[in-house]
Order: sequence, then structure tokens, then C-alpha cells
Amino acid sequence: GAGVSQSPRYKVAKRGQDVALRCDPISGHVSLFWYQQALGQGPEFLTYFQNEAQLDKSGLPSDRFFAERPEGSVSTLKIQRTQQEDSAVYLCASSLSSVSYNEQFFGPGTRLTVL
Amino acid sequence: ILNVEQSPQSLHVQEGDSTNFTCSFPSSNFYALHWYRWETAKSPEALFVMTLNGDEKKKGRISATLNTKEGYSYLYIKGSQPEDSATYLCASVNTGFQKLVFGTGTRLLVSP
Repeated sequence: GAGVSQSPRYKVAKRGQDVALRCDPISGHVSLFWYQQALGQGPEFLTYFQNEAQLDKSGLPSDRFFAERPEGSVSTLKIQRTQQEDSAVYLCASSLSSVSYNEQFFGPGTRLTVL
Repeated sequence: ILNVEQSPQSLHVQEGDSTNFTCSFPSSNFYALHWYRWETAKSPEALFVMTLNGDEKKKGRISATLNTKEGYSYLYIKGSQPEDSATYLCASVNTGFQKLVFGTGTRLLVSP
């Protein structure tokens, strides 16, 4: 079956530009996560949705970052006025339920480069 | 241990060698440990989810152990193959939280 998909796979933005990254989770998965992986680092948590409710956004680095999942399926991560330090791979993951030990299924990521 | 740490950072072995990596994590409020395998330009692939102290899991030539009291997990690969070349990530989950806290990964290169 289809896994988690993300688009675009690669995005180059000029500093100050707004970007929107899309995540299509596995159908029926309740939980959705966004992670940011900077070069040489492990992925770091950004935000978590259970259906359409954003239950944890403690990892969002600034108010320029905004995520939504309005119908409890597709999610969009928006970054306003991008800065060079936003350059990273943005990973989306989904999980069947809200149980903490459930496997998270990852998409291939969107590599964002801010010039 | 305050963060999830992995060692070594990178490893280069010959085909047929067996190898192992270490993941250290905070033992307080521990709930689960995940191992992922991430090949370049692909999605991270889940290998194991472990919750119980002393647990050992195996998938083909890859196995993992867990010590929750001292806060470490080992990943073993027996008879490495070139297709095992990837970055291996571990991530812990704390009680009451959903998010994965990742280490920086071990990059494995297996030469034919």
C-alpha cells in the first residue's frame, strides 16, 4: 500500500520567501508528526497532531513556523519569511494510533535550501 | 545522560564483517526505544520498537538489545552486506509524550 508521501521533495527558496510543505500520511493514521533535520544532526521534533487537533507544538522554533491538518489527514507545514537557518530536511511521519510505542512511518522528506 | 547519544558517528567495514552500534538515552521516564534505518534519498525505515528491559529483537541479520535501567541499546549486524550501508538512528520516547527524541545517527558504509 501507499506510504507517507511528501511534496515537494526539494525546495529552494530565497531568504524572506514563504514556503509550504505538504504531507500525505497513510490513510487512517490518527497521529501525524513533523520533524526537522539540520545537517549533521538527528531529526528534531517540531509538532504533533492527533486527527485535526494540534496537541504539541513545542518544537516549532519560532512564530514563523505554522502547521495545520484541518481535516485530520493531509498536513501542511508553512514557514514564513524563510531564513538561512531554516535550511534542513523536513520529515513527516504518521502513526496508526496515539499509543507512544507505535511505529511511526516516515515520508522521504522535503529538503529545503534557503539562499 | 540528558540527550540521546549514538556512537560511533560513522563506521566503515568490509563485506562479511559483523558490527555493532550503541545508543544511550535518559533512563528516567523512559517508555520506548525505536531503531530506524535511513538510506540516502529514501524514507527512514523502522527496524525495531522496544519497551521492556532486557528485550532482544531480531530481524534477519540485524538484532537489538535494550537495557532500560542503565539507558542503552545495542544494534548488531551480522555479516554486513553493501546493502546495509545507511544511517542508523535510534530514538527514545518518554512517558506521557508521543514525540521521538533522536540521536545523531551512526553512518555505516559496507565495502564489497
